Amino acid sequence: NAGVTQTPKFRVLKTGQSMTLLCAQDMNHEYMYWYRQDPGMGLRLIHYSVGEGTTAKGEVPDGYNVSRLKKQNFLLGLESAAPSQTSVYFCASSFGRNNQPQHFGDGTRLSIL
Amino acid sequence: QQQVKQSPQSLIVQKGGISIINCAYENTAFDYFPWYQQFPGKGPALLIAIRPDVSEKKEGRFTISFNKSAKQFSLHIMDSQPGDSATYFCAASDNNDMRFGAGTRLTVKP
Repeated sequence: NAGVTQTPKFRVLKTGQSMTLLCAQDMNHEYMYWYRQDPGMGLRLIHYSVGEGTTAKGEVPDGYNVSRLKKQNFLLGLESAAPSQTSVYFCASSFGRNNQPQHFGDGTRLSIL
Repeated sequence: QQQVKQSPQSLIVQKGGISIINCAYENTAFDYFPWYQQFPGKGPALLIAIRPDVSEKKEGRFTISFNKSAKQFSLHIMDSQPGDSATYFCAASDNNDMRFGAGTRLTVKP
């Protein structure tokens, strides 16, 4: 039982490049989330999904897109990376919406040069 | 606007001491208050959580104290151990939103 798995763990991009971060969960959770973590800012919600085929904007959605084609997978895309998107990205999943504990992956450290 | 304010940013405690981390929230609709623990290179993991119908919840050495009228809650770690050294995040949520505090880096010295 792996829980929440994120790939890749590290990535360096040049400004303007695109990439996709993959999140997979094996707990049959309906809800999935993408956060970014920056020093002194805590965790900020980028996008979330309440079930297969659904997505919604969070607190800081600009510059990111997401897709949830399968219940177990939640993809985060950067179409044209910018240095301001240098961060550590965490995926999480939960049975219910916010009043349920969220299970986090170990993060993807992304640097944009 | 930071909806959940957490303090202190960092905390150094001697082994066996008490660690106290405080959080304050603004949205009175929040009704679930979890604390997460994060070790370097790992994702946050739920440590303990409380709902506003109780003023205190204890699990082992970890206790949440909740003051609904003041819109404040705190984490107390009794008999702090070097293995407790980590970053702690408070959070507050309702059915529509979850907001995290900025985090407290705790160091427990042996």
